[in-house]
Amino acid sequence: SQTIHQWPATLVQPVGSPLSLECTVEGTSNPNLYWYRQAAGRGLQLLFYSVGIGQISSEVPQNLSASRPQDRQFILSSKKLLLSDSSFYLCAWSVQGHWNTEAFFGQGTRLTVV
Amino acid sequence: AQKVTQAQTEISVVEKEDVTLDCVYETRDTTYYLFWYKQPPSGELVFLIRRNSFDEQNEISGRYSWNFQKSTSSFNFTITASQVVDSAVYFCALRDNAGNMLTFGGGTRLMVKP
Repeated sequence: SQTIHQWPATLVQPVGSPLSLECTVEGTSNPNLYWYRQAAGRGLQLLFYSVGIGQISSEVPQNLSASRPQDRQFILSSKKLLLSDSSFYLCAWSVQGHWNTEAFFGQGTRLTVV
Repeated sequence: AQKVTQAQTEISVVEKEDVTLDCVYETRDTTYYLFWYKQPPSGELVFLIRRNSFDEQNEISGRYSWNFQKSTSSFNFTITASQVVDSAVYFCALRDNAGNMLTFGGGTRLMVKP
């Protein structure tokens, strides 16, 4: 069966520090991968999605970036965090080429920038 | 561009009441999929149901039922005899024919009081 791992679960970082959140998927090949952000009490905002290694589409310009160094690994990064980056970040995957399937989400990372 | 609107930001009911969560969507595509997710306090999004644009049959799963009406672009979710464990944020989402992105509504926070 497929599983998605996202870590860390919580993170407190100072303003200006770098960020690296990692997400890996097991039990499937060539998945679509996604990073979403959810501000407190609000909906989900799509940040990045990837349909293959090295292929990243950005939906919202900001000081975050994403990379997909391996087929089932998706990384969310920042060189310098801002206070406004405090949020709940969710990684997700879906079956490529089967757009009628749902996306499966990781457990999320709660990031607090201080 | 596609859009999902959940006009009810917060609903509070007493246990055993029935409650309906509204979802209205916009898309130019004639082929699309709709989804409902539940987000309990733990934060992880749990998939509940998907429905394709060609299938307007209502669906019932235990205490949950879904009413898809293409004429009004709505995909409403009803919980019958609500329970405290139903307390969560519920998200409606849309995926279009391109298949790469899930667009989420803003979510409805449901509070079921004992």
